[in-house]
Amino acid sequence: GAGVSQSPSNKVTEKGKDVELRCDPISGHTALYWYRQSLGQGLEFLIYFQGNSAPDKSGLPSDRFSAERTGGSVSTLTIQRTQQEDSAVYLCASSLTGTGDPTDTQYFGPGTRLTVL
Amino acid sequence: ELKVEQNPLFLSMQEGKNYTIYCNYSTTSDRLYWYRQDPGKSLESLFVLLSNGAVKQEGRLMASLDTKARLSTLHITAAVHDLSATYFCAVDLRNAGGTSYGKLTFGQGTILTVHP
Repeated sequence: GAGVSQSPSNKVTEKGKDVELRCDPISGHTALYWYRQSLGQGLEFLIYFQGNSAPDKSGLPSDRFSAERTGGSVSTLTIQRTQQEDSAVYLCASSLTGTGDPTDTQYFGPGTRLTVL
Repeated sequence: ELKVEQNPLFLSMQEGKNYTIYCNYSTTSDRLYWYRQDPGKSLESLFVLLSNGAVKQEGRLMASLDTKARLSTLHITAAVHDLSATYFCAVDLRNAGGTSYGKLTFGQGTILTVHP
C-alpha cells in the first residue's frame, strides 16, 4: 500500500475484554513503532520493532499490553482485560531502517480509536 | 528522563499575523522533528532539524533549532486558515552509545486556530 494502514479505525469494547489492534507498515520498512495518544498523557511511545524483534518495549504501560510482529511486516498490539484508562488513539508508524538516520522519516498511520466502556 | 515542553498549548491567531511556537527539551539532542495533525487525522511530518543552527522553511512555516539552548521554534508568517491544526515537536534521544533508532518523545502539542 501507499502508506501505513491500521485496523480497525474505531473500536468500542467493554471493560475487561481483550482487544487486538493491527498495523500494516509501508512495504519494505523494517522499523515499526507503536504510540498512544490520549488527552491526559499526550503522545507516548509504546514499543519499537526492528524486523520481528522488539528491542525496546519500555513504553508498554503494563503487562496487559503486548505486541508482536510477523514476517517483518504486520504488527498486532494486544490489550488484555481492558480498562477505561486504556481509552486512547493508538498510532502506528514505520520507517525504512529504524537507524535514526536523518533521512529515515517515520510515517504514521491513521490510528485506531479505542473506547473502553 | 527526556522532557519536551511546548508553549503555548493553545494559540488563536488572526489571519495575516505572525507568531512563534516554542519547543524546549531537557536533554542533549541534535534531532528534532515538527509534525502537524489535523482533527481526526494522523501525524504529518513537517520538518527534520539535524544540527545546531538548522533552519528550514516551507511556505509560511519556518523551523529552527538551537541545540545549546535546547530550543526549537516554529514561526508562522502571515497566518491563513489552512494552517489551523495541532503542531507537535518531537525529539529523538540517542542512547549512551550515540546511536538512535527513532524513538520519539513528543511535546504536548500546540492547538493553532487561525480566524479571520
